[in-house]
Amino acid sequence: GAVVSQHPSWVICKSGTSVKIECRSLDFQATTMFWYRQFPKQSLMLMATSNEGSKATYEQGVEKDKFLINHASLTLSTLTVTSAHPEDSSFYICSASRTGGFTGELFFGEGSRLTVL
Amino acid sequence: LAKTTQPISMDSYEGQEVNITCSHNNIATNDYITWYQQFPSQGPRFIIQGYKTKVTNEVASLFIPADRKSSTLSLPRVSLSDTAVYYCLVGTSNTGKLIFGQGTTLQVKP
Repeated sequence: GAVVSQHPSWVICKSGTSVKIECRSLDFQATTMFWYRQFPKQSLMLMATSNEGSKATYEQGVEKDKFLINHASLTLSTLTVTSAHPEDSSFYICSASRTGGFTGELFFGEGSRLTVL
Repeated sequence: LAKTTQPISMDSYEGQEVNITCSHNNIATNDYITWYQQFPSQGPRFIIQGYKTKVTNEVASLFIPADRKSSTLSLPRVSLSDTAVYYCLVGTSNTGKLIFGQGTTLQVKP
């Protein structure tokens, strides 16, 4: 199956700093990528839809200035958590669908665990 | 997007067949039903997808009745490594945008 890779797998940062998480589709092109966050023992919550070459679409309640998303190429989307605070600590997961139509299968990254001190 | 309802948790023993049912009463005509598996601290992994009737692959079967208001994921002969959270998702095949429900935590015991 197709591979989606996230980097870093885990990151610890100080409160007030910004953290960037990368999501790459390694062997296919992805016009659309999705970013989720997941708190312990909870389900995944969709944060935003990342569209190559255009602005991301954010879900209701997600601050677009807090969570900056850039999808500059067909294989890379980045999520930047700006001015991170302890409440931003979470597991962030990206997913991607192949360019040319959604086949019904989304490919997920391994996830990135953010801890803000 | 159609909302899904699943049991929060299920227990089973090694070697047994496990059936997890998901309700999606408001499923739209062009919605597909997809099941994912998630282990702790990992991204979800695709298990199976269907539109109607029955679908079978090497790891599971998916049963969908004619009205499509529910679906059942069947895992044959589970092992300890099948302990995970299983998510049922319903969505259109156009965008890939899927909303996760609560999922079912399956605990397989020896």
